[in-house]
Amino acid sequence: AQSVAQPEDQVNVAEGNPLTVKCTYSVSGNPYLFWYVQYPNRGLQFLLKYITGDNLVKGSYGFEAEFNKSQTSFHLKKPSALVSDSALYFCAVRDMAAGNKLTFGGGTRVLVKP
Amino acid sequence: GAVVSQHPSRVICKSGTSVKIECRSLDFQATTMFWYRQFPKQSLMLMATSNEGSKATYEQGVEKDKFLINHASLTLSTLTVTSAHPEDSSFYICSGWDRALNQPQHFGDGTRLSIL
Repeated sequence: AQSVAQPEDQVNVAEGNPLTVKCTYSVSGNPYLFWYVQYPNRGLQFLLKYITGDNLVKGSYGFEAEFNKSQTSFHLKKPSALVSDSALYFCAVRDMAAGNKLTFGGGTRVLVKP
Repeated sequence: GAVVSQHPSRVICKSGTSVKIECRSLDFQATTMFWYRQFPKQSLMLMATSNEGSKATYEQGVEKDKFLINHASLTLSTLTVTSAHPEDSSFYICSGWDRALNQPQHFGDGTRLSIL
């Protein structure tokens, strides 16, 4: 069975500083990985995905993620965080063998302080 | 980008009422719709997967007679919570996916259901 772990419940960072949100995964076969962001009382917004190709994936709003096969990680990064980046972030993996459903990590709350 | 419209955004009703939530894909054909439930400060829990024209596939522990899912067209899926009780209060989110395009799932803005 596939699984995703986000080891940090919350990440605090000062505005302008680099932001990293950690994600590790466990899959059989090739991983299809995603990052989504959720603002209060809203659905999820797609940030970026890794299917194949370059290990560094660039996404929306200045976010990027680095796929590391040996460490089975897919950490989300942003060089300079904004207060408006404060939200709940989810890492997910697509299960191609089970109807393409997503398995989500537990989520990481990011708080960017001015 | 692709848009999924989910209505209503918030429902407050009495115990025993049935509530219908609609999820529409506005600019793509959602061959597959997913329904999730999210408890406060928790991750999304997949409830069921529905393919257009087929019966929904429910995750283990989800009562199919309680949560009725219909996906009669490529742009509309509905979730009906039958005879809702306070324990059904939650945030429900749908997402749509076009198998042919193989794009990421696109999510609605969710429905906050409160049963009194």
